[in-house]
Amino acid sequence: DTGVSQNPRHKITKRGQNVTFRCDPISEHNRLYWYRQTLGQGPEFLTYFQNEAQLEKSRLLSDRFSAERPKGSFSTLEIQRTEQGDSAMYLCASSSPQLASSSYNEQFFGPGTRLTVL
Amino acid sequence: DAKTTQPNSMESNEEEPVHLPCNHSTISGTDYIHWYRQLPSQGPEYVIHGLTSNVNNRMASLAIAEDRKSSTLILHRATLRDAAVYYCILRARAAGNKLTFGGGTRVLVKP
Repeated sequence: DTGVSQNPRHKITKRGQNVTFRCDPISEHNRLYWYRQTLGQGPEFLTYFQNEAQLEKSRLLSDRFSAERPKGSFSTLEIQRTEQGDSAMYLCASSSPQLASSSYNEQFFGPGTRLTVL
Repeated sequence: DAKTTQPNSMESNEEEPVHLPCNHSTISGTDYIHWYRQLPSQGPEYVIHGLTSNVNNRMASLAIAEDRKSSTLILHRATLRDAAVYYCILRARAAGNKLTFGGGTRVLVKP
C-alpha cells in the first residue's frame, strides 16, 4: 500500500497523559499536513510542513501540541497533558510539490488516528 | 478564506444523478473551487476542482455558474459507495496549502 499511513488507528488515554501519533506520507511527497476532526464537523487545519520545515501553524495548535518532521519524511504529533476536549480524529495528509503551471496540489489523506481522552 | 454554504444533507436513489449545490458569493478572482468527499471511517479524498469552466472527470462533473458565486457537483449515477460527506472548498492558488473545510453535505444513497 503506497498511501498515507497513520499509527495508531485508535488511542484511548486518561486525562493528563501525553500521546504521540505518527504519520508516514506518500514517499515522494514533500508536503505534510495535520488536521483535527471532531464528530459531525469538517476537518480543521492544524499545521503544515514542507520537507522538515514547519511553515504554518493554526491558532488551534495550543502550547500542548507539538509536531515534528525531523528528516522530511514521517511526522509525529504530540499532545501533552491531554484534556477531554482533545478527543477527536487526527488526520494527516500529504501532497507533492506544486508546479508553477498547476492549479492545485491534491492532498492525499490517511485514515486518521481516533483519540479518546477519558 | 471565503466561505461556502452547502445543504446539510441530501438523499438520492441508487443509479440516479445527484446534484450537490454550493454557494460561495464572496469568492475572489483567484479562488479555485475544490470538492473533496469523506467516506465513512476514512480520510477525505479529492473529487474535482475548477476555476471558471465546467469540469468533468471519472468521478464527477463540476458546473460553475457564470458569475462564479455558486457551483454544483454532479454525480451522474449514484452508487451505494458514493454515500459520503461532500465538502466544497475555496482555495486561492497563492494563499498557501491548507484546506478549509466547512460542514459539508451528507449524501445518503438508497438502494
